[in-house]
Amino acid sequence: GEDVEQSLFLSVREGDSSVINCTYTDSSSTYLYWYKQEPGAGLQLLTYIFSNMDMKQDQRLTVLLNKKDKHLSLRIADTQTGDSAIYFCAETPPPFSGGYNKLIFGAGTRLAVHP
Amino acid sequence: EAQVTQNPRYLITVTGKKLTVTCSQNMNHEYMSWYRQDPGLGLRQIYYSMNVEVTDKGDVPEGYKVSRKEKRNFPLILESPSPNQTSLYFCATNTPGTGVSNEQFFGPGTRLTVL
Repeated sequence: GEDVEQSLFLSVREGDSSVINCTYTDSSSTYLYWYKQEPGAGLQLLTYIFSNMDMKQDQRLTVLLNKKDKHLSLRIADTQTGDSAIYFCAETPPPFSGGYNKLIFGAGTRLAVHP
Repeated sequence: EAQVTQNPRYLITVTGKKLTVTCSQNMNHEYMSWYRQDPGLGLRQIYYSMNVEVTDKGDVPEGYKVSRKEKRNFPLILESPSPNQTSLYFCATNTPGTGVSNEQFFGPGTRLTVL
């Protein structure tokens, strides 16, 4: 079955690194995503990784994928107060199971950045 | 400007009073979806549409209807709302195979309260 799990809260000090973790169950997922939701706003795609990759870096963001353990992480370097938001991990099932139109989301991790 | 709009943004209603939440996109995307967001559950897909006059159930379709008479619009209809439909609703659109495969663009959300 399809299931994505992530911890609900993370608190970090400004300037430190944040690591948000996610586990998923569908090993046939094609893409894995991190979406960011700021207060009162919709979801915005932050970054993504294709399932045949192990790591992707994009400025302050590093995504690590461990396919064996079905574990995905998002590291934010030099975390700033503007990074305070809810971060959702999501996976896309393969196209034959409705993948092109469907995202399976985790519950979201609320990141709080304090001085 | 490419965007997904939803109306209304906030709605308080009473049990049994039919309502419609509209969604409109100007990106010429084929696929459109409705999600609901509930605390601790993340986003769950309600209905989706792959093109005009083509709609199908997502994971939590009970109590909802949709229609897709035009490519740009995908209204969500609650014929007889109940309190368990109190939630934050998001419309999303995408076109597979362009840019980031299956990247979905989200509207700003509609917060619905059913008393």
